[in-house]
Parts: sequence; structure tokens; C-alpha cells
Amino acid sequence: DAGVIQSPRHEVTEMGQEVTLRCKPISGHDYLFWYRQTMMRGLELLIYFNNNVPIDDSGMPEDRFSAKMPNASFSTLKIQPSEPRDSAVYFCASSPRFQGSSYEQYFGPGTRLTVT
Amino acid sequence: AQKITQTQPGMFVQEKEAVTLDCTYDTSDPSYGLFWYKQPSSGEMIFLIYQGSYDQQNATEGRYSLNFQKARKSANLVISASQLGDSAMYFCAMREGWRDTNAGKSTFGDGTTLTVKP
Repeated sequence: DAGVIQSPRHEVTEMGQEVTLRCKPISGHDYLFWYRQTMMRGLELLIYFNNNVPIDDSGMPEDRFSAKMPNASFSTLKIQPSEPRDSAVYFCASSPRFQGSSYEQYFGPGTRLTVT
Repeated sequence: AQKITQTQPGMFVQEKEAVTLDCTYDTSDPSYGLFWYKQPSSGEMIFLIYQGSYDQQNATEGRYSLNFQKARKSANLVISASQLGDSAMYFCAMREGWRDTNAGKSTFGDGTTLTVKP
């Protein structure tokens, strides 16, 4: 399996621009997570999906952030308009449902976003 | 209140010695899983070990073991025979309520930076 795939790996954009981050989870995984990692705030859960349905988006910082999962193999995290404080590494992770053994999350390589 | 607490921002250990990284958690859910991840300087997140709340024995994976003390709500990671490649940030995480349809929400601690000295 190719693992969780994220694109782009690096994104540099100007304040006010729209940014779209993409994620392809591992095939067969029921859960998909979006995290943001910064030095100041650590690793924050933004939103997670179960079987393509958003379950908890309480971590989404504000209305400028939105996430979708139109099918089991693709998810997007969109920031519109972007601001410098959105600069961070954004991770996507997926996991299987619990079936009597571990159900760890498999992380993608992350997207390093810089908003100038 | 913090659900996952890692009280050691940084730790040092001599190569080939063992080291314990502390993690305490807070939950009222009887069903949960505890995880440790390693994040080297390259940035990727690597799963190390898992402990389920109903597991009777402490989890082990190679040089990693998890010292699970349920009554104390602690899940410390023990790395035996440290290697230079173990230098990294280590995160403790918890997933709650895996028996529910809404299960799966995870919480990460702030991490511990481990430095292995030659």
C-alpha cells in the first residue's frame, strides 16, 4: 500500500489567497483525520470523518476553514482566505475501525503551508 | 483540562541505556486506546505502540514497551537500549469510545523531545 498521500508537500501563498490541501487515505480505512501542527499549539485535531461523514469539526479554527470528503478515497481541506497565522504543517491521517486489535492512525507526510 | 499530559518537554539519555517517557491521560470513557508516535526531525509521524484499555498485559514492540497503569491513568513509554536514531519528538495520544459509532476522536499530548547522547 502506498500509505496516506498528501499534496502538495509544500505550499507558499500570499495572504488572502485560497489554499486547498488534498489527501488520499489508505484504501479500506474508515476514518480520516486532519491535523495542524505548529510550534506554539502543538498537534491539533481539526476535523475527522467516519465513512466520509464529518463527525467532529470542533477543532476547525474558524469559518475560513472547511473540509470535505466526497468519497472514501479523497478529502480536501480548504482555507479561504488564508492568513499568515495559518502557516503550519497540515497532516492527514487515516485509520481502520476498531476490530479487536490496534487501530492506529497512519499519517501522511504532511503539507507545509507558508502564508506570507 | 488536558486530556493527555506529557510533563517532560525534553529528555536526555545515554546511548544503550533505557529511558521512560511519561504520559498521563484523563477520560471517563471505559473504552479507549493509548498510542505512542515518534516524530523525527524529518517530520513524519511514526506509530510505535498501542495499548487498549481492556488489555490485561502491557504492550511491547521490539525495544518499545508501554507501562500501563490504569488506576493511575498513566501510559509511559519505555525505550530500552537507546540508539542515536531514537532522538526525536515522542507523542502520546488517546482515542476514546471506540465502541460507539462516533468513536475515533483522538487527542495528542504536547510531546517530549528525546536526545540520545553518544
